[in-house]
Amino acid sequence: SQTIHQWPATLVQPVGSPLSLECTVEGTSNPNLYWYRQAAGRGLQLLFYSVGIGQISSEVPQNLSASRPQDRQFILSSKKLLLSDSGFYLCAWINWGTGELFFGEGSRLTVL
Amino acid sequence: QKEVEQNSGPLSVPEGAIASLNCTYSDRGSQSFFWYRQYSGKSPELIMFIYSNGDKEDGRFTAQLNKASQYVSLLIRDSQPSDSATYLCAVRYGNKLVFGAGTILRVKS
Repeated sequence: SQTIHQWPATLVQPVGSPLSLECTVEGTSNPNLYWYRQAAGRGLQLLFYSVGIGQISSEVPQNLSASRPQDRQFILSSKKLLLSDSGFYLCAWINWGTGELFFGEGSRLTVL
Repeated sequence: QKEVEQNSGPLSVPEGAIASLNCTYSDRGSQSFFWYRQYSGKSPELIMFIYSNGDKEDGRFTAQLNKASQYVSLLIRDSQPSDSATYLCAVRYGNKLVFGAGTILRVKS
């Protein structure tokens, strides 16, 4: 069965510091991968998605970036965090048979 | 701009009642619709998906789709306190899912 892992689960970072969140998927090959962000009390905002190695589509302009160095690895990064980057970050992959998104357990980022 | 709209709530219902959650979407070309449940501090989990007009039932849950009105709803029968959560409506556009902001449901015992 497919599983998706995210880390770290929680982090507190100062404004201006760098960020790296990692996501890996097991049990499937060539998955479409997604990064969503959920601000406190808000819905899910799609940040990036990737259909293959090195292929990244950005949905919103911001100071975040994403990379896909391997088939089942998806990384979210920032060179300098802003207060507005605080939120719950979710990695997901899509089952094309049903269109269902499967989410990792999330990474909660607090920028101070 | 693909939009998915939900009433943020909170929607409060007594235990055992029917909870009705609603969602509208902007693009008539949408084909796939999803309801996710999210407990506080956790990631969303799928409850149901629906593709065709009409009703789809799964246990205590019924999803209803009306493409002409661009409207999808979720009914929860015999609501339980454990159903208290945020319910997210999602619409598939190509290879992406766009989510509504979610409706908070509170089931009072």
